Amino acid sequence: QVQLVESGGGLVKPGGSLRLSCAASGFTFSDYYMSWIRQAPGKGLEWISYISDTSLYTSYADSVKGRFTISRDNAKNSLYLQMDSLRAEDTAVFYCARGLVGDGYNIPFDYWGQGALVTVSS
Amino acid sequence: EIVLTQSPATLSLSPGDRATLSCRASQNIRTYLAWYQQKSGQAPRLLIYDASQRATGIPARFSGSGSGTDFTLTISSLEAEDFAVYYCQHRNNWPPRFTFGPGTKVDIK
Repeated sequence: QVQLVESGGGLVKPGGSLRLSCAASGFTFSDYYMSWIRQAPGKGLEWISYISDTSLYTSYADSVKGRFTISRDNAKNSLYLQMDSLRAEDTAVFYCARGLVGDGYNIPFDYWGQGALVTVSS
Repeated sequence: EIVLTQSPATLSLSPGDRATLSCRASQNIRTYLAWYQQKSGQAPRLLIYDASQRATGIPARFSGSGSGTDFTLTISSLEAEDFAVYYCQHRNNWPPRFTFGPGTKVDIK
């Protein structure tokens, strides 16, 4: 069965760095684009980054551009998010999610991980 | 930048009622709209994509409609497990960017 499992969350001080990982299994990882989506405590969903199936294309929300870097290793079925210059407002649960695009269709985010909590506080 | 607005913010209904949730886009997004359900403490679940296509395993009581700027998610007869928060979401083709609406909470009356 399809599984996405995030890891690497935790408590970090403002200005610090953290690297999230997302381990994928149960599907052909290299067929899918991937994204990171976060949810601050008690708030809604915020998409923050995208990476294409081959890593050729990436994109970021304005709120994290220049501070976060998305990457993937298809040989390891893994997705990553390097987060630098963290701020208190980055405190959230971070989800990885997959999407599929093909001729005439684009199915976004049909599977999500369980989420990893990142807390930025001194 | 596309902005999605959802209404109402909260919908108080009883099991068996019909639920109608609205999502409005700030400009024409054709049918590039999805709907998600999120229960407390859980990851979101994809319900509908491309405005009206039910995702795999989603019950037929969930349906989506609309195009352009106005979209609707309808739950024909609410079941106990349907009380949750619902988000609409748009994907921009290029560059790939995704926007979520603020959500509609469906709670028990």
